[in-house]
Amino acid sequence: GDSVTQMEGPVTLSEEAFLTINCTYTATGYPSLFWYVQYPGEGLQLLLKATKADDKGSNKGFEATYRKETTSFHLEKGSVQVSDSAVYFCALSAISYGQNFVFGPGTRLSVLP
Amino acid sequence: NAGVTQTPKFQVLKTGQSMTLQCAQDMNHEYMSWYRQDPGMGLRLIHYSVGAGITDQGEVPNGYNVSRSTTEDFPLRLLSAAPSQTSVYFCASSYSMGAHTQYFGPGTRLTVL
Repeated sequence: GDSVTQMEGPVTLSEEAFLTINCTYTATGYPSLFWYVQYPGEGLQLLLKATKADDKGSNKGFEATYRKETTSFHLEKGSVQVSDSAVYFCALSAISYGQNFVFGPGTRLSVLP
Repeated sequence: NAGVTQTPKFQVLKTGQSMTLQCAQDMNHEYMSWYRQDPGMGLRLIHYSVGAGITDQGEVPNGYNVSRSTTEDFPLRLLSAAPSQTSVYFCASSYSMGAHTQYFGPGTRLTVL
């Protein structure tokens, strides 16, 4: 079935470091891809999304490009801040799953001052 | 505009007890869903609804019931709580299924003893 794989965490970085969180997917057809972020004690909120191949989603300095050839949607940020400490979830909207969402396991990011 | 609200925030049950987790949204969204979040497993879909009077099962529906009598409300019922249902539960809503942004509530942390 459809699935999402993320790099295992936790990831610990110093402030202003470069961030990459890898995400790959398996899906039938052409899913839409998402990154959601969960700050401590809160629900998930959308960070960015891409709905077709080669689309780039971006928000708050974060970017991810929908790569159909490598079935990937890696999250990047050039300079992280302490306030970016959170859990990041990669997800897809799967037509074969009734267009419901399939989430990856999440990657915890800690940014140290 | 409150978005998606969930009650209670925390709950402790004994094995065999029943309870209802409440979820409400004020965005006039047709699609609502319930997820459970377990360490290392991301979010898994329990039940979802595409409109008032219409519900369907997700990935892990056993032990849970839902109904959708209004657009605003989507309660989740635990029929006979088991320790395996200890988890954090999130309700989400969106305009419809597919690539639309899902809006999440703050979650309910449930412990079953």
